[in-house]
Amino acid sequence: QKEVEQDPGPLSVPEGAIVSLNCTYSNSAFQYFMWYRQYSRKGPELLMYTYSSGNKEDGRFTAQVDKSSKYISLFIRDSQPSDSATYLCAMDGGSQGNLIFGKGTKLSVKP
Amino acid sequence: NAGVTQTPKFQVLKTGQSMTLQCAQDMNHNSMYWYRQDPGMGLRLIYYSASEGTTDKGEVPNGYNVSRLNKREFSLRLESAAPSQTSVYFCASSEVTGAYGYTFGSGTRLTVV
Repeated sequence: QKEVEQDPGPLSVPEGAIVSLNCTYSNSAFQYFMWYRQYSRKGPELLMYTYSSGNKEDGRFTAQVDKSSKYISLFIRDSQPSDSATYLCAMDGGSQGNLIFGKGTKLSVKP
Repeated sequence: NAGVTQTPKFQVLKTGQSMTLQCAQDMNHNSMYWYRQDPGMGLRLIYYSASEGTTDKGEVPNGYNVSRLNKREFSLRLESAAPSQTSVYFCASSEVTGAYGYTFGSGTRLTVV
């Protein structure tokens, strides 16, 4: 079992839809959870950052962490064509110290 | 506010040639990383440097060497390029290893023919 699992998609939604992106993980030692957004032919950029369980909201974006289920989510409200990108989840590597990334979900928001 | 700067942006090499990818950050970060990104494989860590003067292997170090030249600069060298090293290479930096997230450069697209 991979340490971090993420459905690669692609996911296609109409403009204005609510988008739900998810990752599961296997290591209960993970404490820090992140979401990165990567536009085509660009480097990943940090979108959301959460420590331990709970929710965090930033504008149209909400990150959710459920440590009991080892499941994290990113919700995008009122999705826009400019949200079309690949979204990668990441979490601290516990004793390894480095971030471990999911493989990314490609999202397309159609006007 | 440059962040993480990578050079070159594109490169084509012949099998067996060598080259060095350069990376510099201006955020006074302690840790720096080299990743490669391939379709269906995600981001894979090649080498990292937790602090100036230290380097460690990541998930896929074979065929690569690194140098942490100073706190700002971290270079990746391919001694004898192989077609399997065709990839997009990203440099990243962070204040500390893991925890607070990384800042990435814009990438180097390398093709080995």
